[in-house]
Amino acid sequence: DAGVTQSPTHLIKTRGQHVTLRCSPISGHKSVSWYQQVLGQGPQFIFQYYEKEERGRGNFPDRFSARQFPNYSSELNVNALLLGDSALYLCASSLEGARTDTQYFGPGTRLTVL
Amino acid sequence: AQKITQTQPGMFVQEKEAVTLDCTYDTSDPSYGLFWYKQPSSGEMIFLIYQGSYDQQNATEGRYSLNFQKARKSANLVISASQLGDSAMYFCAMREMNSGYSTLTFGKGTMLLVSP
Repeated sequence: DAGVTQSPTHLIKTRGQHVTLRCSPISGHKSVSWYQQVLGQGPQFIFQYYEKEERGRGNFPDRFSARQFPNYSSELNVNALLLGDSALYLCASSLEGARTDTQYFGPGTRLTVL
Repeated sequence: AQKITQTQPGMFVQEKEAVTLDCTYDTSDPSYGLFWYKQPSSGEMIFLIYQGSYDQQNATEGRYSLNFQKARKSANLVISASQLGDSAMYFCAMREMNSGYSTLTFGKGTMLLVSP
């Protein structure tokens, strides 16, 4: 079975631009979470979606938004990019995002903001 | 305050030897989960092992075992018979519940280098 897939693999943008990152969960998984990992740190939680509804949001500005589609794939959008948004963006899928779930991660999208 | 602490920025081990990566955590939630993930240079976070707070026995998965000491709030990863392919960043993470959904809080990671 295919794991979590993300696109694109790498992305270079300039300050002020907008970016859209995409994620397809493992088949059968209904929950998608997004994490940001800056160099030298562990991933930080951005959003979790389940059944197309936002379940939770981490401590990120409103420039960050996301949505989940009927097929459970998800998009992360970042507006007005800043240099500090340069990071590896990881998508994780789980069955329901519940207490007993394990989150499985995709390969990530490496975003560079110049 | 940090919820997950990994005090070893880097560890070196020779091939075929065992190595222990340290992790301590802090939570007031009686029901939580502890995870270890491996992150090679490619970036993907690979799930290795899970320990629930109510599990009576330490988790094991092949060459990976988790030394869970609840009273000390530690969840150390033990890798037996290290292989060159084990060289990677290793992250300890804790699952917490927030208003009905779960998120992972990660430590800063430990870089493991396995030498021939």
